[in-house]
Amino acid sequence: DAMVIQNPRYQVTQFGKPVTLSCSQTLNHNVMYWYQQKSSQAPKLLFHYYDKDFNNEADTPDNFQSRRPNTSFCFLDIRSPGLGDAAMYLCATSRVGGQFTEAFFGQGTRLTVV
Amino acid sequence: QKEVEQNSGPLSVPEGAIASLNCTYSDRVSQSFFWYRQYSGKSPELIMSIYSNGDKEDGRFTAQLNKASQYVSLLIRDSQPSDSATYLCAVNTNAGKSTFGDGTTLTVKP
Repeated sequence: DAMVIQNPRYQVTQFGKPVTLSCSQTLNHNVMYWYQQKSSQAPKLLFHYYDKDFNNEADTPDNFQSRRPNTSFCFLDIRSPGLGDAAMYLCATSRVGGQFTEAFFGQGTRLTVV
Repeated sequence: QKEVEQNSGPLSVPEGAIASLNCTYSDRVSQSFFWYRQYSGKSPELIMSIYSNGDKEDGRFTAQLNKASQYVSLLIRDSQPSDSATYLCAVNTNAGKSTFGDGTTLTVKP
């Protein structure tokens, strides 16, 4: 039973061509996260939504945008991908309120920029 | 200083030994602490969560938390080759976001 689903699993895009990654969840969690993970590095938080409130990390490039049209879906838009944006992009959800819960991760989207 | 620091790896232990993974964090108001296991090319999966000082055991895994020392650890008893992976320590604050350490790569040799 997949709970956090990311599409596509693999994405190849051209340098400078906009690309959108998608994430959906069936957990009804109020927080959704986007992480970027490069090889042999820790996941790096790009931004997260607490319900509809968008929280951008200070060092997230303007090239990265996000949308959360409803509780279940969240999108990551990369406006002009560069070679340095090639990475695994991880979507995660958690339920925040009272005792905080762990993050549930999707399977990730591996982005290649050519 | 990084918000979450893990002992540098890689860590190699023989099969059947105890593997000890350590993590320190800088934000004293942190409330929730997690250990994730990540196999190469896969997404992180939760191994343990701990919220209160002391030990928490789940099968071969024991998490230890000391908020006064801002320290959390993971012990893996009877290590198996299938435990070979990168282990990520994550810390949550009131803001609800998880901050990860850089990870420690564990290799269990048969």
